[in-house]
Amino acid sequence: DTAVSQTPKYLVTQMGNDKSIKCEQNLGHDTMYWYKQDSKKFLKIMFSYNNKELIINETVPNRFSPKSPDKAHLNLHINSLELGDSAVYFCASSQLAGIHNEQFFGPGTRLTVL
Amino acid sequence: AQTVTQSQPEMSVQEAETVTLSCTYDTSESDYYLFWYKQPPSRQMILVIRQEAYKQQNATENRFSVNFQKAAKSFSLKISDSQLGDAAMYFCAYRSPAGGGADGLTFGKGTHLIIQP
Repeated sequence: DTAVSQTPKYLVTQMGNDKSIKCEQNLGHDTMYWYKQDSKKFLKIMFSYNNKELIINETVPNRFSPKSPDKAHLNLHINSLELGDSAVYFCASSQLAGIHNEQFFGPGTRLTVL
Repeated sequence: AQTVTQSQPEMSVQEAETVTLSCTYDTSESDYYLFWYKQPPSRQMILVIRQEAYKQQNATENRFSVNFQKAAKSFSLKISDSQLGDAAMYFCAYRSPAGGGADGLTFGKGTHLIIQP
């Protein structure tokens, strides 16, 4: 019954590796997002994806790329991982046409880069 | 660009008491949405309450209510009859209507709420 799910929940990897985090929503929403929460708990939008339109936060390095195979999935690919990429990454979804446009969040993926 | 400021990094309240968390924001838009999210130690982001800027009436959800002052760009959260389960990080968030909100939420830095038994 999970509305927004992410895998894996924990990811430990070495600097320089390439990794992916998967996100799936079963709410029928048309928009999905990725947020980064740093070690000070600050949450910042990275990407939003709606009807094949990608909106990118200008501060996100191009090592990060979202991939959407279909409306229910938005995966996050990270190339050449750096120490500073260590954070918790949250996926979220919403229905833009909805009255409140509430965003539903996944459980987060804690990424640790060694 | 919009900014959201939470000036209280940490707040402490006795169980059963009332506490108010502050949030101010900066925007040039007239229509927008404001949210309070709760993040317990489990790290799950949970929506507590929402407010549409075009509504003058303050939103309430059981023990949670907001004081929305549009002219002052203030959006504080009041928690009545605090319970141990309320202990968490609380984030204030802003959503622009531009693009239908496709540019995501802008969050404040959060307030860590401690409940003293």
